[in-house]
Amino acid sequence: KAGVTQTPRYLIKTRGQQVTLSCSPISGHRSVSWYQQTPGQGLQFLFEYFSETQRNKGNFPGRFSGRQFSNSRSEMNVSTLELGDSALYLCASTPRAGGSDEQYFGPGTRLTVT
Amino acid sequence: GDSVTQMEGPVTLSEEAFLTINCTYTATGYPSLFWYVQYPGEGLQLLLKATKADDKGSNKGFEATYRKETTSFHLEKGSVQVSDSAVYFCALGEDNYGQNFVFGPGTRLSVLP
Repeated sequence: KAGVTQTPRYLIKTRGQQVTLSCSPISGHRSVSWYQQTPGQGLQFLFEYFSETQRNKGNFPGRFSGRQFSNSRSEMNVSTLELGDSALYLCASTPRAGGSDEQYFGPGTRLTVT
Repeated sequence: GDSVTQMEGPVTLSEEAFLTINCTYTATGYPSLFWYVQYPGEGLQLLLKATKADDKGSNKGFEATYRKETTSFHLEKGSVQVSDSAVYFCALGEDNYGQNFVFGPGTRLSVLP
């Protein structure tokens, strides 16, 4: 069974631009969570989607948004990029929402904002 | 809310040394506990897990026991290798309507030959 895939793997954007990141979960997994990882803040939860609905949201500004499609693939969007948005963005999937199941992570998208 | 605390790194050990990385948690219910490992340039990989009190998770020589009385899930390995150099994250997962998965800050381990 294929693992979680994320595209693109690396991205360089300029301050003020917007970016869209994509995540394809493991087949059969319906829940997708997004995390931001930085050296200073560690792993921070962005949001979780299940059955095309945002189930939980972390403490991030409205510039960060996401969505999930009927095939469980998910995208996250960051508008008006700031230098501080440079980070590794990780996506994780689980079979169900609201559970204590292990999360399966993708390799991440490394975003650099200049 | 739920939280996870783990020892600050970096931890530097010589090859074949004994490893302990402490992890304690705060939770409202009965969470499952996990250790994840992240190698440079990669995502997180599950190392081991335990779903109830007194369970022991083990994998690749690493072990951790779910201690409800001390709310701890310390990671141990009897003899580390250079290839174990990575960042280790303790995490908990709980059925609730908030954020159901919480990670600790991570502990960087460097093993020297």
